Amino acid sequence: DAMVIQNPRYQVTQFGKPVTLSCSQTLNHNVMYWYQQKSSQAPKLLFHYYDKDFNNEADTPDNFQSRRPNTSFCFLDIRSPGLGDAAMYLCATSRAGKTQYFGPGMRLLVL
Amino acid sequence: RKEVEQDPGPFNVPEGATVAFNCTYSNSASQSFFWYRQDCRKEPKLLMSVYSSGNEDGRFTAQLNRASQYISLLIRDSKLSDSATYLCVVNEGTYKYIFGTGTRLKVLA
Repeated sequence: DAMVIQNPRYQVTQFGKPVTLSCSQTLNHNVMYWYQQKSSQAPKLLFHYYDKDFNNEADTPDNFQSRRPNTSFCFLDIRSPGLGDAAMYLCATSRAGKTQYFGPGMRLLVL
Repeated sequence: RKEVEQDPGPFNVPEGATVAFNCTYSNSASQSFFWYRQDCRKEPKLLMSVYSSGNEDGRFTAQLNRASQYISLLIRDSKLSDSATYLCVVNEGTYKYIFGTGTRLKVLA
């Protein structure tokens, strides 16, 4: 089945230790998104790629970076995680303007 | 005013009840609309897109009112398994999807 995959589902990192989250898709969608969701809040868009074009949201901290080496893969790098970065991170894909499909999410814990 | 507003609930309803949620949006140029369901600690899953003429999928009916800038979701014959958070999502352009904070539904036995 075509899908959006995020591994691992849970990750624990230490305060200040870089961490990379990965996302892959078999839907061949040209747009990929990274969202951060904290408890009882709406998903918050961090950035998106349209093909190779990177678009950062204005309020996304510099601590968050992203890479998209090809259509199928997208990575979220948190350079120096703080306690406030503990959240669920959701990857989503879509064709431009069409329905978004989400991966299962990765729950990050920062110690 | 928030771009997309939902009543957070929770809506506590007995099994078999009919329940309706509304969602208002501020941008009259919004182009497409969706309802997602999110279970605790899981990802949002598409429940249904919302079409201008309204649409139905089994026990679920979605309506769009562009003049008043709201969309609605009606759930008939509620099941215990319908308990979840329902997210309203509005697309304002090619890449811009605005999420509501969600409405929590608890269906009680």
